[in-house]
Amino acid sequence: GAVVSQHPSWVICKSGTSVKIECRSLDFQATTMFWYRQFPKQSLMLMATSNEGSKATYEQGVEKDKFLINHASLTLSTLTVTSAHPEDSSFYICSARDRTSGGVRSYNEQFFGPGTRLTVL
Amino acid sequence: GQSLEQPSEVTAVEGAIVQINCTYQTSGFYGLSWYQQHDGGAPTFLSYNALDGLEETGRFSSFLSRSDSYGYLLLQELQMKDSASYFCAVRDQGGKLIFGQGTELSVKP
Repeated sequence: GAVVSQHPSWVICKSGTSVKIECRSLDFQATTMFWYRQFPKQSLMLMATSNEGSKATYEQGVEKDKFLINHASLTLSTLTVTSAHPEDSSFYICSARDRTSGGVRSYNEQFFGPGTRLTVL
Repeated sequence: GQSLEQPSEVTAVEGAIVQINCTYQTSGFYGLSWYQQHDGGAPTFLSYNALDGLEETGRFSSFLSRSDSYGYLLLQELQMKDSASYFCAVRDQGGKLIFGQGTELSVKP
């Protein structure tokens, strides 16, 4: 259980195009999902917190108009990189937190997706 | 602001024990987590400490001292498959994780 999927797993696009990345919680409902970006040999940097049914909260320095986040349901959040440029090339990872506060799954745990590698030419 | 410090790399041999330290400075603290990440893969959860003391899960243990703003991950009976990057992460009130820079562990035969 506690599986998070991302699609696509990798994408190559031309500069100026937009790319949409999907993050799905497959066997649990997630009121909150997080989007991270990771450059090679570096740490995960939180970009934004995505809350179901409301606007995303962006971290300082992250352009909300460039990285559009939509969390339309309890199992799906999407990140759209608009007008992508080579410097946006990175590994994008989402995570989801189980909405249940008790039971088998720890409320404290975030479950990560497998990541999407974006290359902008 | 929030910052976490951990060694950039550690090398050890199979069967050995290795400790990866993490010190943190945060405006709010709701627990210290540890994640493992293999090259090109997703981070996988290893452990979480909200209170002082040692948490043991199989070959991995994690320790927290809130008064010292310090924690560590202890890996015992090292195996080649343990070669990976290990991240400590501080959780804030909203559940956000702030990650350290990661420690690259190389396990040699």
